[in-house]
Order: sequence, then structure tokens, then C-alpha cells
Amino acid sequence: EIVLTQSPGTLSLSPGERATLSCRASQSVSRSYLGWYQQKPGQAPRLLIYGASSRATGIPDRFSGSGSGTDFTLTISRLEPEDFAVYYCQQYGSSPRTFGQGTKVEIK
Amino acid sequence: QVQLVQSGAEVKKPGASVKVSCKTSGYTFTNHAVHWVRQAPGQRLEWMGWVNGGNDGTDYSRKFQGRVTMTRDASASTVYMELSSLRSEDTAVYFCSRVDSSGSYSHDYWGQGTLVTVSS
Repeated sequence: EIVLTQSPGTLSLSPGERATLSCRASQSVSRSYLGWYQQKPGQAPRLLIYGASSRATGIPDRFSGSGSGTDFTLTISRLEPEDFAVYYCQQYGSSPRTFGQGTKVEIK
Repeated sequence: QVQLVQSGAEVKKPGASVKVSCKTSGYTFTNHAVHWVRQAPGQRLEWMGWVNGGNDGTDYSRKFQGRVTMTRDASASTVYMELSSLRSEDTAVYFCSRVDSSGSYSHDYWGQGTLVTVSS
């Protein structure tokens, strides 16, 4: 099973700032099948990025993903008030699909 | 528009079983798989398995093998997840999600979640 480790655990930033979230895999993620999800309290996750760098339908271009192999990054170029949430990475290149433990982006 | 609507909250005793439904609409049911993901209070998302929308094929996480059964009713565009031998650690919100089998292979639509509480 591939273990995903996200860092940092919490990111304290102000609106307008840039957020950089990391996701490291215990082994190479097949075909860069790595996705990022945003989750707000009491809500289901929302797909942001798939295939490491492709934005999902309707996702603003301030969200971008990069990386390959074992190291992946989600960047939010300029934080909007609605972006403060928990972000999870997920690999789906091998079974079982696994999620990271999440990074909370909070208002500073 | 694509929608996944799950059944309501459940309270179960340890050792019992629970069956959660997920009614889909807005897309061709047989073209995409439906996956189940759960989230215990304050914990990360945990993938449980999936059922193929086009046939009865399934794949379960080894963690739940022998306790989970995922089925589908294509005539009703509905998927079911049954978890047996419940214990307190199974208390969680259970989500169904569609996985786009024609492009992203990711969870592009989600149900609203079903809270399952296991308590004596």
C-alpha cells in the first residue's frame, strides 16, 4: 500500500498570499495518478486536480498541481476567503487508493 | 446535472450490519464506477472499495475484505454498501463518489455523506 505524507499539517496564511502544499509518496505513483481534493467542514470533498496537474471542471486557475514519481505539490497562487479548508492528496495508480492525512489552510 | 443522493443517518449496535444506499442521476449509470470512502471523526479520508456501474465487478480494500459488500441495481441507478460486524471504530461518515471512468479516473462527484454511529 502506498502511504502518502502531506506537509505541513497546518498552513497559516492571509488572503492574497500564496500557498504551497506538499504530498510525498512512499513509492512511485503509477502514471502520475495523483489527485488533490478540498474539503470544508460538514461537506464532501471536492476534486481540484487530477493526473497531478490537470484542473478539474470549474476549478479556478489559481489552483495548480505539479510533480511526478514520489513528490507532488498543490499551489494556490493567491488565497481567496473561500480557499481556507483542508486539502487532501490521493493516489489512484494502485489499489488500494490511499489519501494523505491532509493539510489545513487556515486564516492567519 | 450529476447527483448522488445517499440514505439517512444510522445508529447501530456493535456486531450489527448497516446498508447505505447511493442513488445516482444525471449520467449513464453503466459508464462509470461508484466508490465508497469513509471518514472517522477528525480523521483522514479512507477508501473502502468500488463497484463497476456496467457489471457486478467489485474491488475492496483489504482492510474491509470479508466485512463489506458493494452491490448495484442498474434499473434504479443505485449502489449499496453493506458493512457487517460493526465496531465502535466504524463510526464515521460514509461517502459514495462517482469515478470518471472515461477521463480523470478521479472522484468527480460525491454524495452528501451518511453518518453511521456504532454504539451500545
